[in-house]
Amino acid sequence: AQSVAQPEDQVNVAEGNPLTVKCTYSVSGNPYLFWYVQYPNRGLQFLLKYITGDNLVKGSYGFEAEFNKSQTSFHLKKPSALVSDSALYFCAVRADQTGANNLFFGTGTRLTVIP
Amino acid sequence: DAGITQSPRHKVTETGTPVTLRCHQTENHRYMYWYRQDPGHGLRLIHYSYGVKDTDKGEVSDGYSVSRSKTEDFLLTLESATSSQTSVYFCATRQGLSTDTQYFGPGTRLTVL
Repeated sequence: AQSVAQPEDQVNVAEGNPLTVKCTYSVSGNPYLFWYVQYPNRGLQFLLKYITGDNLVKGSYGFEAEFNKSQTSFHLKKPSALVSDSALYFCAVRADQTGANNLFFGTGTRLTVIP
Repeated sequence: DAGITQSPRHKVTETGTPVTLRCHQTENHRYMYWYRQDPGHGLRLIHYSYGVKDTDKGEVSDGYSVSRSKTEDFLLTLESATSSQTSVYFCATRQGLSTDTQYFGPGTRLTVL
């Protein structure tokens, strides 16, 4: 079985401060991990993914994520938050290696960046 | 949004009526997905398609059916809508077997009274 946990429903951070949005996963075999962002009244937008290789993955809009196999975590980070980063963030794990590529999503974390 | 449109964008209907939501893509992607988004649940997969006329069930498929007669269109039908199907529905596509990223449409907000 595959699952993703986002332990924080809401994260608040001051503009200019570093931000972290947490994600832990459970999956059989090697994990394929993703972060998506959802702005109000919009569909999800792809931010970054980890498939293999370097544990630090860089993505869109200055975001990065660190894969930690021993802690089964894939936390999203950004060195300096912008007010425009305020959105709903979803972590997702790929379900299998057979090609159907079904994703299991976490429940989402709402990030608010305070001016 | 990778050339993905959904129609209608908003719909209010009554319990017991059939409803069809349409997803249209212009990217010639092989895979298409239907998700529902609910507070506290994130996104959950309803059905997916891996080619024309090839579909399979997802995590929450009860009460839903799908059809894909053309590469570009993926229809989701609620056979007899219930209030528990009030949700926001998202379509997504993925290019092919060797790619991982899914691209999402803008969503359809469905209210069942």
